Amino acid sequence: DAKTTQPPSMDCAEGRAANLPCNHSTISGNEYVYWYRQIHSQGPQYIIHGLKNNETNEMASLIITEDRKSSTLILPHATLRDTAVYYCIALGGTSYGKLTFGQGTILTVHP
Amino acid sequence: EAQVTQNPRYLITVTGKKLTVTCSQNMNHEYMSWYRQDPGLGLRQIYYSMNVEVTDKGDVPEGYKVSRKEKRNFPLILESPSPNQTSLYFCASSLKQDIEQYFGPGTRLTVT
Repeated sequence: DAKTTQPPSMDCAEGRAANLPCNHSTISGNEYVYWYRQIHSQGPQYIIHGLKNNETNEMASLIITEDRKSSTLILPHATLRDTAVYYCIALGGTSYGKLTFGQGTILTVHP
Repeated sequence: EAQVTQNPRYLITVTGKKLTVTCSQNMNHEYMSWYRQDPGLGLRQIYYSMNVEVTDKGDVPEGYKVSRKEKRNFPLILESPSPNQTSLYFCASSLKQDIEQYFGPGTRLTVT
């Protein structure tokens, strides 16, 4: 699976959009970009995933660049409950479902 | 409610005393997996199972056993726990491999 790089921390004001970047410059054609988050020591929570088209669900939007070398997770109206560690992962067919979380981005949402 | 449950949530035990951490999912998922999470080391996969009676090693299987006799259950067995197995353990499941995984609440294990 391709290595991903994320900033170690970000801040966001409550009610504003949080834009979390991820670099995956070595991603291969059959690898999806997945985003998970982990609030304190709770079980990680799936957010969204995509291959090359932008995706949106009830939690977030995922914007993938045309060359697929980077992506941005957007939380449109961040709340205090969105404070968590966010993980970006490139996952392909040969991974057998194994999720390898790096250090992720610690997002702190301020009142 | 669709969920993955783990028991116990917290456990303190002594070296060498066999223990089992249970994991159960009610979503009819084929794929199940166990991870451990340690500070500075991230999430590491211990074992996974593609379906009933099909299990395979992840990255850190030493000292652990698993079984998958039923689709919904995937217990993690520590035959002779040691202090280096002190960790936060998560069970996860998904409909198939390589799609979104649902995680349990975690089991914090301390081996003294």
